[in-house]
Amino acid sequence: DSGVTQTPKHLITATGQRVTLRCSPRSGDLSVYWYQQSLDQGLQFLIQYYNGEERAKGNILERFSAQQFPDLHSELNLSSLELGDSALYFCASSVGAGARETQYFGPGTRLLVL
Amino acid sequence: SQKIEQNSEALNIQEGKTATLTCNYTNYSPAYLQWYRQDPGRGPVFLLLIRENEKEKRKERLKVTFDTTLKQSLFHITASQPADSATYLCFGANSWGKLQFGAGTQVVVTP
Repeated sequence: DSGVTQTPKHLITATGQRVTLRCSPRSGDLSVYWYQQSLDQGLQFLIQYYNGEERAKGNILERFSAQQFPDLHSELNLSSLELGDSALYFCASSVGAGARETQYFGPGTRLLVL
Repeated sequence: SQKIEQNSEALNIQEGKTATLTCNYTNYSPAYLQWYRQDPGRGPVFLLLIRENEKEKRKERLKVTFDTTLKQSLFHITASQPADSATYLCFGANSWGKLQFGAGTQVVVTP
């Protein structure tokens, strides 16, 4: 158990809908990362927050947005969902924000868009 | 474009042998490379980190090297066991917030 929690574990929704994925980092970690993993794309970095501020941005679509709250939990919002958004979404956390940080991954949220 | 690439073919290896995985990077200068293990349906788990000015790092049966001339990292699992069967991911990060995972290499260790 990494200490990172993600809810929900599974989510089934329809195209065009909007969903919110939630992540609680390990106690003491200030950074939160979001990743998308689909069968044909591997693990794609979406976005990183550090202590409430956006730190780094990857291949995040405009339909997706995220934020980190004062209690350090984070939410990833996915809107206007398409079939291709079906994937495993992982959250990870680390103590700091630098390039050498070890990331601790949560169990993931499996999203299925029908 | 900046890329981290791993061999996409699965590596089948007999128990007791050494597995060697390759991570190449192009148009990219990671200050650190990390290796993670991922089991099916689970989140990656950190294994080893190596800095660009380090040649080699070891942890138990694992060894990683970093060659900035070849732009390559090698990951070795010595005396491999069936429990080592998993997908191994290379991860690069630089000082400008460029974070990237390779696609991973699946390792299958047979008794």
